Amino acid sequence: AQKITQTQPGMFVQEKEAVTLDCTYDTSDPSYGLFWYKQPSSGEMIFLIYQGSYDQQNATEGRYSLNFQKARKSANLVISASQLGDSAMYFCAMRVRGGANNLFFGTGTRLTVIP
Amino acid sequence: SAVISQKPSRDICQRGTSLTIQCQVDSQVTMMFWYRQQPGQSLTLIATANQGSEATYESGFVIDKFPISRPNLTFSTLTVSNMSPEDSSIYLCSVETRDTDTQYFGPGTRLTVL
Repeated sequence: AQKITQTQPGMFVQEKEAVTLDCTYDTSDPSYGLFWYKQPSSGEMIFLIYQGSYDQQNATEGRYSLNFQKARKSANLVISASQLGDSAMYFCAMRVRGGANNLFFGTGTRLTVIP
Repeated sequence: SAVISQKPSRDICQRGTSLTIQCQVDSQVTMMFWYRQQPGQSLTLIATANQGSEATYESGFVIDKFPISRPNLTFSTLTVSNMSPEDSSIYLCSVETRDTDTQYFGPGTRLTVL
């Protein structure tokens, strides 16, 4: 069975500082993908970044980077130079290739950026 | 990426009625999914919408309560039937495109059942 764990219900960060949101996962399938999504108060789910299990390098997208440590089964999201607009819920998710391709979500972390 | 629209964006409904939510994508996609997000919770998959055949439902979700249609590769509907206050949630459509491993979400439908 697949499992995603986000242990930080809430995080605070000062504007312009970097913040790391934790995510650990568990699967026995060797082929999988890891995703991070941002959900502002409007409710939409905004795709941020993707990491494949066979990717050699950590994924980066602008101010977002994914610290992928395969042996530890962790996929932490790093947001650099935080902005007020980064305040939102952040969800880590996993998809296993051998399954139905749907996403398994963690419980989320609420990030608040302080001016 | 894919541009996904959902209608309605929100609705307030009476107990016992039904609501049909539409999901439209601007390009042909391989996979379409429907998720539910109850207040303060994470997302849970309801079903995979299969083009031209019956949807594949997850444990705890049944076709009589959540009938789904997918008549073509760009459109799907989810109906929430015989609603109760426990059905108050955000319902999200997501798609996976042919050329990427990424899943994109629609803007969601915020449903309140009185």
